[in-house]
Amino acid sequence: KQEVTQIPAALSVPEGENLVLNCSFTDSAIYNLQWFRQDPGKGLTSLLLIQSSQREQTSGRLNASLDKSSGRSTLYIAASQPGDSATYLCAVGRGWQFYFGTGTSLTVIP
Amino acid sequence: SAVISQKPSRDICQRGTSLTIQCQVDSQVTMMFWYRQQPGQSLTLIATANQGSEATYESGFVIDKFPISRPNLTFSTLTVSNMSPEDSSIYLCSVSVEGGTEAFFGQGTRLTVV
Repeated sequence: KQEVTQIPAALSVPEGENLVLNCSFTDSAIYNLQWFRQDPGKGLTSLLLIQSSQREQTSGRLNASLDKSSGRSTLYIAASQPGDSATYLCAVGRGWQFYFGTGTSLTVIP
Repeated sequence: SAVISQKPSRDICQRGTSLTIQCQVDSQVTMMFWYRQQPGQSLTLIATANQGSEATYESGFVIDKFPISRPNLTFSTLTVSNMSPEDSSIYLCSVSVEGGTEAFFGQGTRLTVV
């Protein structure tokens, strides 16, 4: 069974800092990997989707990379802002099924 | 993309009662999924809802506890039956337009059982 791990579990940074969130998965036979943002008590907002044939995707200040052979993905957030404070989840997709990591809780301090 | 509306957004229920959660999508989708997120945990898939057939449940989840309906390609319901405090979670509806593509989520239903 696919297992997805996210490190660190929690992160606190001052505003303006660049940061990296990590996601690792055990089975490299994936279709895609998706990064989500979750605000407290809310649903999930999709940030970036990387297909298995791609190495990275970018959206604004966010950049996600995928190294399928090593079972790793990173989410890079540039020039962090207090509004970025949320939990970030990565999910590995195979067919219709997604397997979720445990999340990284990010706090950006003004 | 797909826009998902989930109702109710939150509820506080008495132990032993049941709650039905509705999920409406703005376009026709083949597969709909129901997830549970227990406090401080990540998402766990409960079941996959297919139109015109019985839902497929993941290990640890049973139809008697979590009956699911899928009457058409834009709508599904999840019922949490005979609730106990351990059922207090966020329940999320999700869709994918087709396999291997982006997943979209509703805003979730925050359930508290007292």
